[in-house]
Amino acid sequence: DADVTQTPRNRITKTGKRIMLECSQTKGHDRMYWYRQDPGLGLRLIYYSFDVKDINKGEISDGYSVSRQAQAKFSLSLESAIPNQTALYFCATSDSPGQGKLSFGSGTRLTVV
Amino acid sequence: KQEVTQIPAALSVPEGENLVLNCSFTDSAIYNLQWFRQDPGKGLTSLLLIQSSQREQTSGRLNASLDKSSGRSTLYIAASQPGDSATYLCAVRRWGGSEKLVFGKGTKLTVNP
Repeated sequence: DADVTQTPRNRITKTGKRIMLECSQTKGHDRMYWYRQDPGLGLRLIYYSFDVKDINKGEISDGYSVSRQAQAKFSLSLESAIPNQTALYFCATSDSPGQGKLSFGSGTRLTVV
Repeated sequence: KQEVTQIPAALSVPEGENLVLNCSFTDSAIYNLQWFRQDPGKGLTSLLLIQSSQREQTSGRLNASLDKSSGRSTLYIAASQPGDSATYLCAVRRWGGSEKLVFGKGTKLTVNP
């Protein structure tokens, strides 16, 4: 079983719909992250969390929200999806800031039509 | 603003060849640098992490070097194999404990049998 699991793997949704992407991990890491990857732009950080009571904005948080339901679960929501949110979304975990070695999920390919 | 550049964007080599992938960054005040591998349809796998105080790291056929003063890192792959075909990304973490990693756009490597 994967250490960092993302669901769904693929999703097509309509403009204006609310959608949630889920991430769970079995690595026991405190730090969790959401990234998006766009062709030609690389990976960009959306939100991150150090523990259940901690949520921090990344560089492109507008239009997104997150929830850290438990140490092992971190979900990303698009309240009202728009076409330019079409991208590949990755969840990642890390055991400490010093090392910062990230473990990534397999990604969710989201298409907003 | 930190910028990370990877050249070339794509590279094709015959099996068995030794090769070097390049990563350059504009701000030398980095905490660490990581090299990742990304396979199609999958997430990123961390290959090597070099702390700012280190010059290189090795894992199997992979060797990564870091020259902060010149803003460069290289990933050396010895005796390349078709299974090494993937996109390789580098990412730098800013000094000061920032959670934000700045990613390059990657080099797509194809190793031909």
